[in-house]
Amino acid sequence: SQQGEEDPQALSIQEGENATMNCSYKTSINNLQWYRQNSGRGLVHLILIRSNEREKHSGRLRVTLDTSKKSSSLLITASRAADTASYFCATTDNYGQNFVFGPGTRLSVLP
Amino acid sequence: SAVISQKPSRDICQRGTSLTIQCQVDSQVTMMFWYRQQPGQSLTLIATANQGSEATYESGFVIDKFPISRPNLTFSTLTVSNMSPEDSSIYLCSVTTGGADTEAFFGQGTRLTVV
Repeated sequence: SQQGEEDPQALSIQEGENATMNCSYKTSINNLQWYRQNSGRGLVHLILIRSNEREKHSGRLRVTLDTSKKSSSLLITASRAADTASYFCATTDNYGQNFVFGPGTRLSVLP
Repeated sequence: SAVISQKPSRDICQRGTSLTIQCQVDSQVTMMFWYRQQPGQSLTLIATANQGSEATYESGFVIDKFPISRPNLTFSTLTVSNMSPEDSSIYLCSVTTGGADTEAFFGQGTRLTVV
């Protein structure tokens, strides 16, 4: 299994602060993706980082990938109350298939 | 990209009954997936729905409990059969559009409560 694992399981911060979530995985990957889930609804894709990339930005999101440590981090800068959600990392195999989702981090951003 | 309509969005069912969840995609896709998300947990893959053939089930999930239909490239159903309270979960359908860097697209989920 190449299941990702995330920490922390839950994170509570004040609006305006930065939020950092970490993800670890076990086997070789093609890419690592981050998803957001609001209140038990469907997941929404946030960002993808390929195995040969080290850092990627999208708006207030910054993702890093360290394949030597088999870990990734998601940084959300200048958080807003609307960022309150669960965040999941997901890995795919070398063919870009077989999505495996981590346990997720529940982020609460307090106004 | 793909837009997925999943219904019902939620239901409360009596134990011993069955519920069928529908998933409609706005484009033809090869791969459709059904996931279960138990309260406070991550997603667990139930099965991959293949058009024109039987679904491929993951370990711990069987066809008699979770029959799946995939009549064409835009539609699939998942039935949760003979339900018990342990089946209370969110059920999600998902598709990928292919390629090494494909992302997964999800329906809005079905929140099932079995009483």
